[in-house]
Amino acid sequence: NAGVTQTPKFQVLKTGQSMTLQCAQDMNHNSMYWYRQDPGMGLRLIYYSASEGTTDKGEVPNGYNVSRLNKREFSLRLESAAPSQTSVYFCASRTGSTEAFFGQGTRLTVV
Amino acid sequence: QKEVEQNSGPLSVPEGAIASLNCTYSDRGSQSFFWYRQYSGKSPELIMFIYSNGDKEDGRFTAQLNKASQYVSLLIRDSQPSDSATYLCAVQDDMRFGAGTRLTVKP
Repeated sequence: NAGVTQTPKFQVLKTGQSMTLQCAQDMNHNSMYWYRQDPGMGLRLIYYSASEGTTDKGEVPNGYNVSRLNKREFSLRLESAAPSQTSVYFCASRTGSTEAFFGQGTRLTVV
Repeated sequence: QKEVEQNSGPLSVPEGAIASLNCTYSDRGSQSFFWYRQYSGKSPELIMFIYSNGDKEDGRFTAQLNKASQYVSLLIRDSQPSDSATYLCAVQDDMRFGAGTRLTVKP
């Protein structure tokens, strides 16, 4: 049972490049979340999807787009990466208001 | 803007002492809360949730919730070096997190 799987684990981008962070869960959860974590800032919610077919903005959505491809997969896209998007990105999933399970994170550096 | 605030620390306690971690929230409608622990370089993992006023105990951990004062706390008794981590408070309903408090337990 893999839980929540994120790919890639590490990525270096040049300013202006685009990329998609992938997240997949095998727990049949309805809700999925994308966070970024910067030193001293805790986890800040970028976007979330309460159910398949819906997405909503979180606290820091600017510069990102998301796609809830199906119930299992929720991707995060950076269209034109900026150094300010250097961070560790976490995907999480849950059903209802239960415990959320997190992926192992993606460490992204934009140079 | 709904806020969840924590003292980012670092908080340092000697082994065997009680560590006290605090969290305040601005949305009076928030009903229940999670405490997550995050080791350096790892993903967060749930250690407790609480939804009723008062105390909830689980082994060495006690979560406390005071809805009138809008704060949640986590007490760790008999702290161990293995408890050294960042502790994150989150609102259960909307999954908003505080900045986390970094705890170091010194042998």
